Amino acid sequence: DARVTQTPRHKVTEMGQEVTMRCQPILGHNTVFWYRQTMMQGLELLAYFRNRAPLDDSGMPKDRFSAEMPDATLATLKIQPSEPRDSAVYFCASGLVQNYGYTFGSGTRLTVV
Amino acid sequence: TQLLEQSPQFLSIQEGENLTVYCNSSSVFSSLQWYRQEPGEGPVLLVTVVTGGEVKKLKRLTFQFGDARKDSSLHITAAQPGDTGLYLCAGVLMTTDSWGKLQFGAGTQVVVTP
Repeated sequence: DARVTQTPRHKVTEMGQEVTMRCQPILGHNTVFWYRQTMMQGLELLAYFRNRAPLDDSGMPKDRFSAEMPDATLATLKIQPSEPRDSAVYFCASGLVQNYGYTFGSGTRLTVV
Repeated sequence: TQLLEQSPQFLSIQEGENLTVYCNSSSVFSSLQWYRQEPGEGPVLLVTVVTGGEVKKLKRLTFQFGDARKDSSLHITAAQPGDTGLYLCAGVLMTTDSWGKLQFGAGTQVVVTP
């Protein structure tokens, strides 16, 4: 089965450090989402791309977060500098047609100490 | 405030019982999707409903999309321990400026005990 691959699965870092999370969407999928999940807020949409172009990143704290798709096989989410409140599980999802649903990766569990 | 309100937040039932999870909004959606998430994994798509009034069945799971495309329900018949998980509804908004944006409800944690 085709799947969305996220790396790393776990990341522990110190406050102030840069964190980069990577996502390999399913080949052929043209839409990529980044979500953050916490117990308090649930799944929050951070950003999404269609055909590698950013459509909406209004859910991201702009001063420290950035999302890019350097090519069709890679999406990145970067936090610089990281803060303890960024501790969460970050998910990437990809899809082709919005009404057909999306496939999620297994997530990156980020802990900022 | 969540765009999609799910209820209940938590549901604990015995094996063999039925359950229903609700997903409500004041917004209109082009489609509504249901996912199930297990600990340590990402959400997995169960179904997508697109047409107002649509009903879809997936074995013991029945999904319904409201006529006005603002709400949906998930009904599980004769629940089994394998149905345990976090059930999430997600909607794709129809408004022009947010076309394609998929937004999630807070989820319903379902626990089915043997």
